[in-house]
Amino acid sequence: GESVGLHLPTLSVQEGDNSIINCAYSNSASDYFIWYKQESGKGPQFIIDIRSNMDKRQGQRVTVLLNKTVKHLSLQIAATQPGDSAVYFCAERLHGSSNTGKLIFGQGTTLQVKP
Amino acid sequence: NAGVTQTPKFQVLKTGQSMTLQCAQDMNHNSMYWYRQDPGMGLRLIYYSASEGTTDKGEVPNGYNVSRLNKREFSLRLESAAPSQTSVYFCASRIAGHYEQYFGPGTRLTVT
Repeated sequence: GESVGLHLPTLSVQEGDNSIINCAYSNSASDYFIWYKQESGKGPQFIIDIRSNMDKRQGQRVTVLLNKTVKHLSLQIAATQPGDSAVYFCAERLHGSSNTGKLIFGQGTTLQVKP
Repeated sequence: NAGVTQTPKFQVLKTGQSMTLQCAQDMNHNSMYWYRQDPGMGLRLIYYSASEGTTDKGEVPNGYNVSRLNKREFSLRLESAAPSQTSVYFCASRIAGHYEQYFGPGTRLTVT
């Protein structure tokens, strides 16, 4: 299953399928991107990050892809499990904000995993 | 190592009341942040403290004040609560030289 950026806030996938969550970021000067997972009633948890000098980064069952040409970020989750059900946020850091560490968050996409 | 802790977990206020949300981290992080999260929206930065002794406004600072009490603690104060401040408030911290922020469990605030 695939979501389309900020305009389709809910993605529903079958357990075991791969999920793709998309994010259109706002600023071409952003140099760092991060994905967070937020389960119901909890604070956001770090999943994976990527710097702007990379196109792809892989973690355990997750991959982040960065396309700077179209300012697009995606999070791929392999073999989606019920425990992956959550809201996923992308965030960007503007170049030059390394001292403050300020992040700009996207709206979020809800991932629902059907058993 | 408890990470980032926030108190209280829930709070109901009447319009005009004041309160302070507490945040503490035990990870020796330099920077701390306060966000609010409204339904269907991402996190919006209220105030941040890049290092002990400094505080700066974020995207939505009106109606709030902060205090960086020491390296561990960063509090958020509502002097005169308004219904528009009904939200879930998250505190986060970050270690110098790294970019990811670590979040607390949140405080759910309702202003009636």
